[in-house]
Amino acid sequence: ETGVTQTPRHLVMGMTNKKSLKCEQHLGHNAMYWYKQSAKKPLELMFVYNFKEQTENNSVPSRFSPECPNSSHLFLHLHTLQPEDSALYLCASSQDGVLGNIQYFGAGTRLSVL
Amino acid sequence: EDKVVQSPLSLVVHEGDTVTLNCSYEVTNFRSLLWYKQEKKAPTFLFMLTSSGIEKKSGRLSSILDKKELFSILNITATQTGDSAVYLCAVARGSTLGRLYFGRGTQLTVWP
Repeated sequence: ETGVTQTPRHLVMGMTNKKSLKCEQHLGHNAMYWYKQSAKKPLELMFVYNFKEQTENNSVPSRFSPECPNSSHLFLHLHTLQPEDSALYLCASSQDGVLGNIQYFGAGTRLSVL
Repeated sequence: EDKVVQSPLSLVVHEGDTVTLNCSYEVTNFRSLLWYKQEKKAPTFLFMLTSSGIEKKSGRLSSILDKKELFSILNITATQTGDSAVYLCAVARGSTLGRLYFGRGTQLTVWP
């Protein structure tokens, strides 16, 4: 148990659906991250939030919409996804974006887009 | 362009063997290098290295950084089947807030 909880663990959705991924951290951290992990590729950083403010958007398509209501919770809202968006989506947190290089990961949501 | 390269991409050994995993990087304004182990889903933190030549050790795992030659190695001695996992290397830059640059990982399989 890493202290970072992601739900759901598995999600199957059609291209016209709208769904949300949830991440909650119990570590008292101030920075949270969304990553995409596809087969045979390095982890791709999607978004960074530091003290609830988005500090990085790594050229992510607008069909992915993050939300960070407080330092403990992070959401990823999904709509009109494409089959190539099928992947493992990992959430992570760290002490803060500058000093906290050690990121702690959740178990991820395995997303399949049909 | 910043990059992190791990080798080999996959490795199969028998229990008791010693393995060395490699990570080289070309990253401007280097701050630290991190190793993670990913078994089923969540990558779990192993080591963070910031200084050259200082070995970090935890049980049968150890790691060292060479900032002159821009690489790090992760050693696992007396491997066990529970060491089977993907080992990820990541580098943090000093200029980008919280961002880690990951390699593709090394898939290690340990046969009994």
